[in-house]
Amino acid sequence: DAKTTQPNSMESNEEEPAHLPCNHSTISGTDYIHWYRQLPSQGPEYVIHGLTSNVNNRMASLAIAEDRKSSTLILHRATLRDAAVYYCILRDRSGSRLTFGEGTQLTVNP
Amino acid sequence: GAVVSQHPSWVICKSGTSVKIECRSLDFQATTMFWYRQFPKQSLMLMATSNEGSKATYEQGVEKDKFLINHASLTLSTLTVTSAHPEDSSFYICSAEPWGSSYNEQFFGPGTRLTVL
Repeated sequence: DAKTTQPNSMESNEEEPAHLPCNHSTISGTDYIHWYRQLPSQGPEYVIHGLTSNVNNRMASLAIAEDRKSSTLILHRATLRDAAVYYCILRDRSGSRLTFGEGTQLTVNP
Repeated sequence: GAVVSQHPSWVICKSGTSVKIECRSLDFQATTMFWYRQFPKQSLMLMATSNEGSKATYEQGVEKDKFLINHASLTLSTLTVTSAHPEDSSFYICSAEPWGSSYNEQFFGPGTRLTVL
């Protein structure tokens, strides 16, 4: 599985945007970029995924670099409930396994 | 959205006993479910892929005779930790993806916290 690299931790202020970076320099042409998050003592939750173009949904936006070697998850207005570990994962197809790295612990300051 | 449940949510057992954890997809069918284990302050580690009607595929280093997986129907997979020991204490999480789905997302259960005394 291609590897991703994320900062161990980041901080954001409440009601401000949070930008979480992810590097995936060995990404293959068929790899989708997935983001999941895990709140304390819960199972992970899907956030967003994309292939080449930037993506938006009700939870977040995903900005993908033109060379696809990096991406950024954007929470437009972080709230205290967004405090979680965010995982950036590469996945080649639907139905295949997810390999979790260490993720980024996002702290949201009131 | 699709919901995955796990039962029990937590369990305490004595060393040497076996514990069964159930994972159910409540409103969709899943031919494949995944089992993860997570130790405190660590990431999720995939243990095995559970395939409906066939044997599970275990990740390297996971003992298949200790962690028995059964996927008897399209909505239920079970993980049995046999002869549990304190080092098996962990947070066990399952996930599933709707069969034939184009969602491309997996749905996770809330997890089961196992404590072995």
